[in-house]
Amino acid sequence: KNEVEQSPQNLTAQEGEFITINCSYSVGISALHWLQQHPGGGIVSLFMLSSGKKKHGRLIATINIQEKHSSLHITASHPRDSAVYICAVIGTGNQFYFGTGTSLTVIP
Amino acid sequence: DAGVTQSPTHLIKTRGQQVTLRCSPKSGHDTVSWYQQALGQGPQFIFQYYEEEERQRGNFPDRFSGHQFPNYSSELNVNALLLGDSALYLCASSPSMNTEAFFGQGTRLTVV
Repeated sequence: KNEVEQSPQNLTAQEGEFITINCSYSVGISALHWLQQHPGGGIVSLFMLSSGKKKHGRLIATINIQEKHSSLHITASHPRDSAVYICAVIGTGNQFYFGTGTSLTVIP
Repeated sequence: DAGVTQSPTHLIKTRGQQVTLRCSPKSGHDTVSWYQQALGQGPQFIFQYYEEEERQRGNFPDRFSGHQFPNYSSELNVNALLLGDSALYLCASSPSMNTEAFFGQGTRLTVV
């Protein structure tokens, strides 16, 4: 069993829709990252959070430490949001554990 | 600030050969981690270097080795390449004792 589970694996949305990607983890963590990976490989860290909620533009990330769960929300989705979104947690030994990613396609 | 840079961006090797991948961390970062990402999968942790020593290691065979230089740059070496080693290899750097991490663009290795 993976330390980090994401859902859904694949997601197709119409432009403008509200999108939620979920992440559950089973290890003790010091922080959690939401990462964005576009075709070609480069990874960008969208958020790093250890409690509560963070917002950046149309992106919102929340984490519930007690329930070991985090969500990434995208409001008013746009085709340029199409990418793979990866949840990664940082274990107590400063080691990353990655989810397998959610492939998002936003259709105009 | 150039961020994390990796070289080369793409590489094709023959089974049984050896390969060296390079990573320059973001300015001010002294910790470098390497990850392997197979097609359609999430990244898998290979190892982490800090103060020129391997501090942590994931579940990878000894064919995977690394090095960190005094300027904090790092190399990943893979010996006796297998077809299954074909993947995107990602490098991430972070400041010591801090969980913030920045990723490079990766090196796409194809073993034929």
